[in-house]
Amino acid sequence: KAGVTQTPRYLIKTRGQQVTLSCSPISGHRSVSWYQQTPGQGLQFLFEYFSETQRNKGNFPGRFSGRQFSNSRSEMNVSTLELGDSALYLCASSFTANEQFFGPGTRLTVL
Amino acid sequence: GIQVEQSPPDLILQEGANSTLRCNFSDSVNNLQWFHQNPWGQLINLFYIPSGTKQNGRLSATTVATERYSLLYISSSQTTDSGVYFCAPYSGAGSYQLTFGKGTKLSVIP
Repeated sequence: KAGVTQTPRYLIKTRGQQVTLSCSPISGHRSVSWYQQTPGQGLQFLFEYFSETQRNKGNFPGRFSGRQFSNSRSEMNVSTLELGDSALYLCASSFTANEQFFGPGTRLTVL
Repeated sequence: GIQVEQSPPDLILQEGANSTLRCNFSDSVNNLQWFHQNPWGQLINLFYIPSGTKQNGRLSATTVATERYSLLYISSSQTTDSGVYFCAPYSGAGSYQLTFGKGTKLSVIP
């Protein structure tokens, strides 16, 4: 069974731009969650989607948004990028409220 | 929300040594996972352990939910065990949200 995949793996953007990251969950998993990892704040929960509905959202500004498609693939978008948005963005999928499995992450650098 | 404390923050071991990593959490939890983050950033699942003890090769984990802590044991450490170990309980019943501790950075030297 293929694992969680994330694209792109690396991304460089400049301040003010926007970015879209993609996540494909493990086949059959309907829940997709997103996390941000920075050296200063560690790993923080962004949001979680299930059956195309956002069920839970972390404490992030409205510039961070996401969506989920009918095939459970998910995208997250960050608008008006700031230097502090430089981070590793990790996606996780889960079949039920049990074990979550993470993708390799997208490393975003904002210049 | 749940507060998660991991100790020690840093650990240096000689190859072959044993170690215990601890995770304390502030509220009752239904589920908890342990991860190993490799040098490329990917989180590798080690254990999904809401309670009790599980073993997988040289690794084992114990969660005592009533006392709000979990332990990860690494025996006969190898250089490939180096990396950061995270404990992450779930926030609330039926929740898919993981709350991560700051991790324990393990360095195993030959």
